[in-house]
Amino acid sequence: AQSVTQLGSHVSVSEGALVLLRCNYSSSVPPYLFWYVQYPNQGLQLLLKYTTGATLVKGINGFEAEFKKSETSFHLTKPSAHMSDAAEYFCAVHNAGKSTFGDGTTLTVKP
Amino acid sequence: GAVVSQHPSRVICKSGTSVKIECRSLDFQATTMFWYRQFPKQSLMLMATSNEGSKATYEQGVEKDKFLINHASLTLSTLTVTSAHPEDSSFYICSATKARDGRDTEAFFGQGTRLTVV
Repeated sequence: AQSVTQLGSHVSVSEGALVLLRCNYSSSVPPYLFWYVQYPNQGLQLLLKYTTGATLVKGINGFEAEFKKSETSFHLTKPSAHMSDAAEYFCAVHNAGKSTFGDGTTLTVKP
Repeated sequence: GAVVSQHPSRVICKSGTSVKIECRSLDFQATTMFWYRQFPKQSLMLMATSNEGSKATYEQGVEKDKFLINHASLTLSTLTVTSAHPEDSSFYICSATKARDGRDTEAFFGQGTRLTVV
């Protein structure tokens, strides 16, 4: 069984500030972890993924995430928020083809 | 990467009619495809797992007679919403994993279909 918990359904930051979106997971096997971004009325866009190897993974648009097994976490960060980062973000764990998603975090970026 | 195409991207239908949504893997073979539903302001929920050449496996609470899934080839799965009602209005997204890659590490998602039943 696998599950994902995203802490904070809404996160608001000022433009230029640090973005931190939290994700904790539960998985019975070594997890494959993903972050996706979804803009209104659009599909999912893959930001980054962790499968094996380096625990700090870099993705598109300046995002990165660190896999911490001891904390069962995979938090998403970006050093400096941009207005275009405002969207819905989903953390997901993947196993045997199935993806289990967190409830999502809405990121708002204030000018 | 791998590309999954979903069609149509938007569809409006009358209550009581049926709607078919296609999910195609364009540059790889997918023995398994997955169908998700996303209600407004909510997360994606798995509806069913579609296996090529066999019956789909539905998640608990999903009506298999209402959401017909066919996976006739290694590159195409279809979801048919039968006798659609306004409460079926939602965003439907498919995903596919590559065939015979051992333990697959990633699912590739289609761009989704916005279904509105009026």
